[in-house]
Amino acid sequence: GAVVSQHPSRVICKSGTSVKIECRSLDFQATTMFWYRQFPKQSLMLMATSNEGSKATYEQGVEKDKFLINHASLTLSTLTVTSAHPEDSSFYICSARGGARQETQYFGPGTRLLVL
Amino acid sequence: QKEVEQNSGPLSVPEGAIASLNCTYSDRGSQSFFWYRQYSGKSPELIMFIYSNGDKEDGRFTAQLNKASQYVSLLIRDSQPSDSATYLCAVNTGGFKTIFGAGTRLFVKA
Repeated sequence: GAVVSQHPSRVICKSGTSVKIECRSLDFQATTMFWYRQFPKQSLMLMATSNEGSKATYEQGVEKDKFLINHASLTLSTLTVTSAHPEDSSFYICSARGGARQETQYFGPGTRLLVL
Repeated sequence: QKEVEQNSGPLSVPEGAIASLNCTYSDRGSQSFFWYRQYSGKSPELIMFIYSNGDKEDGRFTAQLNKASQYVSLLIRDSQPSDSATYLCAVNTGGFKTIFGAGTRLFVKA
């Protein structure tokens, strides 16, 4: 149980384009979903927290107009990187909490974004 | 003071030894404690959670919690090269957010 999927696993795009990443909880309803970014050899950095049906809460320094988060249902959240630039290249990981152990976070496999 | 602190390592142990990973946290109201393992290039995976003071064992892993000292640890018995990874300590105070430590890199030498 507690499986979280992400799609795509890897994406390469041109500078200026937008990229959408999907995060799904496959076998539980995720009351809260989180989006993280991780640069090579660095720690996880929380970008935003989202609850189903409400606006996401962004961490300080994260541009909400650049990183659009939609938590449309209890099993799906999307992160759209708008007008991507090379400095947005990173490993984006979602996690979800819910199900039997509400406080436990389960991570998706991550999406590696490369912006050329 | 960081909310969740871990020694970044690397911690190097020989194969078969016990690896001891430590974590301290600052919020006395913290209620739930987690250990995640992250292999290079992969996302974190949950190893164990612990809520009560004392030890909790799962296979080769033992989590230890001491709320009075605000300390949580993870012991890995009979360490294997496949245990080489970064181990993240995470603490939840009961709210939406779980605070992650920066992680300790573990190397198990064959």
